[in-house]
Amino acid sequence: GIQVEQSPPDLILQEGANSTLRCNFSDSVNNLQWFHQNPWGQLINLFYIPSGTKQNGRLSATTVATERYSLLYISSSQTTDSGVYFCASGMDSSYKLIFGSGTRLLVRP
Amino acid sequence: DAGITQSPRYKITETGRQVTLMCHQTWSHSYMFWYRQDLGHGLRLIYYSAAADITDKGEVPDGYVVSRSKTENFPLTLESATRSQTSVYFCASTGVDTQYFGPGTRLTVL
Repeated sequence: GIQVEQSPPDLILQEGANSTLRCNFSDSVNNLQWFHQNPWGQLINLFYIPSGTKQNGRLSATTVATERYSLLYISSSQTTDSGVYFCASGMDSSYKLIFGSGTRLLVRP
Repeated sequence: DAGITQSPRYKITETGRQVTLMCHQTWSHSYMFWYRQDLGHGLRLIYYSAAADITDKGEVPDGYVVSRSKTENFPLTLESATRSQTSVYFCASTGVDTQYFGPGTRLTVL
């Protein structure tokens, strides 16, 4: 099955800094999503991005499917960006997702 | 309210008891999923359903049973709870492409 690896595992930023989170996947996928789990445990979908680039405010994501990686960019980070960021991918029509182990982000004021 | 809800939010039970976790969504999404989240393992898929009366196993199905008689409901049953099933359980549903998660149920098996 698909293997999903995320890096770095932990990241500490000062408020206002920019960061890049990486997701590598082991096989061709037709589904790639990024999620944010806030400190209260809620999982929020950030992007559905099996290929190409998308932007939503201070967040943007790029997936290069041919090279089997995706990047999540956070600009001008805020303390509310803290939490765990998960990448998840899938490769069939069932919408099943395999999750990476996450990147734990702490943004300090 | 529209969205995906789970109940109960917190549950403590004892080894050997049967426990059912409920999941309800108001979007009429065809696909629904159950995951468990444990420290060191991230999120792992337990079962999923493509439609009412269609279910299939995920990565870690042992010890769990699901049913889906109505599109909007997808209950997860632990037939005889074990301590290793202590975890946070998330239900999710998929619309066109995006997967949406419920708030989770924290289950403790003593």
